Amino acid sequence: VQLVESGGGLIQPGGSLRLSCAASGFTVSDNYMNWVRQAPGKGLEWVSVIYSGGSTYYADSVKGRFTISRDNSKNTLNLQMNSLRDEDTAVYYCARVIRGVQVDYFYMSVWGKGTTVTVSS
Amino acid sequence: SYVLTQPPSVSVAPGQTARVACGGNNFGSKSVHWYQQKPGQAPVLVVYADTDRPSGIPERFSGSNSGNTATLTISRVEAGDEADYYCQVWDSSRDPVFGTGTKVTVL
Repeated sequence: VQLVESGGGLIQPGGSLRLSCAASGFTVSDNYMNWVRQAPGKGLEWVSVIYSGGSTYYADSVKGRFTISRDNSKNTLNLQMNSLRDEDTAVYYCARVIRGVQVDYFYMSVWGKGTTVTVSS
Repeated sequence: SYVLTQPPSVSVAPGQTARVACGGNNFGSKSVHWYQQKPGQAPVLVVYADTDRPSGIPERFSGSNSGNTATLTISRVEAGDEADYYCQVWDSSRDPVFGTGTKVTVL
């Protein structure tokens, strides 16, 4: 089981960027998948999740600007980021989410190595 | 919003036991998960559902959850355990929340 992110880079404020996360060893569409980010020197911040059924949820800080999606043909997870701000600068990780069996919890079992997004003029 | 509070740092001598606390409201009804993050690396799950370990994680790592505090315990600490540790809670009633993180330093 492996996740590899790509698509990060330097982008000006107000710009757009699309991140991808290629999965191997399992099928993205059969799983809950999410994005987590970490600003320089800061802690972990959840960004977005897509359920196996297709429902999507976002942190308030990115709602209306970011869109999570899947490409089933490529077995990849994507994050479209629009209207980028300085505070979006971070390492972005994708992670596979595991649901509890008969217990209400979720956790992130496998993480990619991350891709760096820098928003700066 | 739900807040998970951790001490900023914990120091421990090699071979001793490190305990990292994570505080939140009504913890007893929630499952807590723990992640280890070494410098420049991605987080790694070390404990899930309060007390369970993923395959490949040493038995030296254990977890507990009682009242309003969850605890990650690292027994017989080694130099390679030096890292940041984050607790996390996520259930169907709320978005996932991470703790503030604790830096474990091996003296």
